[in-house]
Amino acid sequence: DAGVIQSPRHEVTEMGQEVTLRCKPISGHDYLFWYRQTMMRGLELLIYFNNNVPIDDSGMPEDRFSAKMPNASFSTLKIQPSEPRDSAVYFCASSLGRVSYGYTFGSGTRLTVV
Amino acid sequence: TQLLEQSPQFLSIQEGENLTVYCNSSSVFSSLQWYRQEPGEGPVLLVTVVTGGEVKKLKRLTFQFGDARKDSSLHITAAQPGDTGLYLCAGPSNFNKFYFGSGTKLNVKP
Repeated sequence: DAGVIQSPRHEVTEMGQEVTLRCKPISGHDYLFWYRQTMMRGLELLIYFNNNVPIDDSGMPEDRFSAKMPNASFSTLKIQPSEPRDSAVYFCASSLGRVSYGYTFGSGTRLTVV
Repeated sequence: TQLLEQSPQFLSIQEGENLTVYCNSSSVFSSLQWYRQEPGEGPVLLVTVVTGGEVKKLKRLTFQFGDARKDSSLHITAAQPGDTGLYLCAGPSNFNKFYFGSGTKLNVKP
């Protein structure tokens, strides 16, 4: 298995633009998580899905953020409009079960909003 | 305030030295996981500890789960430059939410 695949690896965009981050989880994993990592706040859970259904989006900062999982092999995280404070590394992770077997993370998308 | 507090935050040592990093909480965890994150990559799972008092060894790395399941430690023997990275502990609390600690950034100098 190629692991969790995220694209793009790097994204530089201007404030106010729409940004879409993409994730392909490991085949067979039933949970998918979106995290954001910054130096100040560490890893923050934004939202997670179970069998393509959003379960907890309480970590989504505000209405500018939205996430979808239209099928078991694809998820997107969208920021519209983007702001400089959204600059961070965004990780997608998937797992078999909620906790027991650990999470497999993608390589992340480094987002810079100027 | 982090539910999982890790210490130290930063550690810079010479190759060959031993070190221990800690993960502490006031809450009970049913299990704890340790991840290592290298620059430019996502965290990678190293181990899961489940039973209070459990000790697991992974080559030069020794992981221990506290008897009360509120704390864990990671000991590295004879550190190598390849051990450099951010070490994160993580686990589910009694509230069934999964938390990551803030991490210990380790630098092993050749």
